[in-house]
Amino acid sequence: QQPVQSPQAVILREGEDAVINCSSSKALYSVHWYRQKHGEAPVFLMILLKGGEQKGHDKISASFNEKKQQSSLYLTASQLSYSGTYFCGTEISPGSARQLTFGSGTQLTVLP
Amino acid sequence: EAGVAQSPRYKIIEKRQSVAFWCNPISGHATLYWYQQILGQGPKLLIQFQNNGVVDDSQLPKDRFSAERLKGVDSTLKIQPAKLEDSAVYLCASSLMLMETQYFGPGTRLLVL
Repeated sequence: QQPVQSPQAVILREGEDAVINCSSSKALYSVHWYRQKHGEAPVFLMILLKGGEQKGHDKISASFNEKKQQSSLYLTASQLSYSGTYFCGTEISPGSARQLTFGSGTQLTVLP
Repeated sequence: EAGVAQSPRYKIIEKRQSVAFWCNPISGHATLYWYQQILGQGPKLLIQFQNNGVVDDSQLPKDRFSAERLKGVDSTLKIQPAKLEDSAVYLCASSLMLMETQYFGPGTRLLVL
């Protein structure tokens, strides 16, 4: 039950905004967002728990819509450092088999 | 605070050979995860430990892969024998508790020829 991310890739100029979506076919308990730069390890951005809350730090925020079984990551006023591949990891159930399933990623390129 | 350490960073082997990867998590982290990341894809969970017990290994190909976490700290992941499709980056991650923020190591890049 791998989540589906869209778009697969996006190119923008410094200062522009971007939205990355993560959709699941199953009810979600939590969504975790990570960014991975080429040749490096994924780095944690934020966790959203069931409850529809929105989180954010700096100019990166995210929302979690339980009803739609999806989460969106918002990057405003993009900086060059935002370039990388963004992954969402979803947790389907808080039961015994708790694990994250990652999507295929969204490649974000920010140009000067 | 030291991050998650992994070794080796790179490994090239021939198919049917064996290989082992080592991971040292962040001190005090109870949960340790091994992921396989094939080029162009997201990380895929292989196994997760809580202290020295296995929490989930449902996606670990147990006919060739094995993992252990002795004394609830370091962990090793072994592949025996390796296949061409095992070529990937093997990432180790740790978190304070299950499903909290995961901190990833630099990974081991494996190429099977």
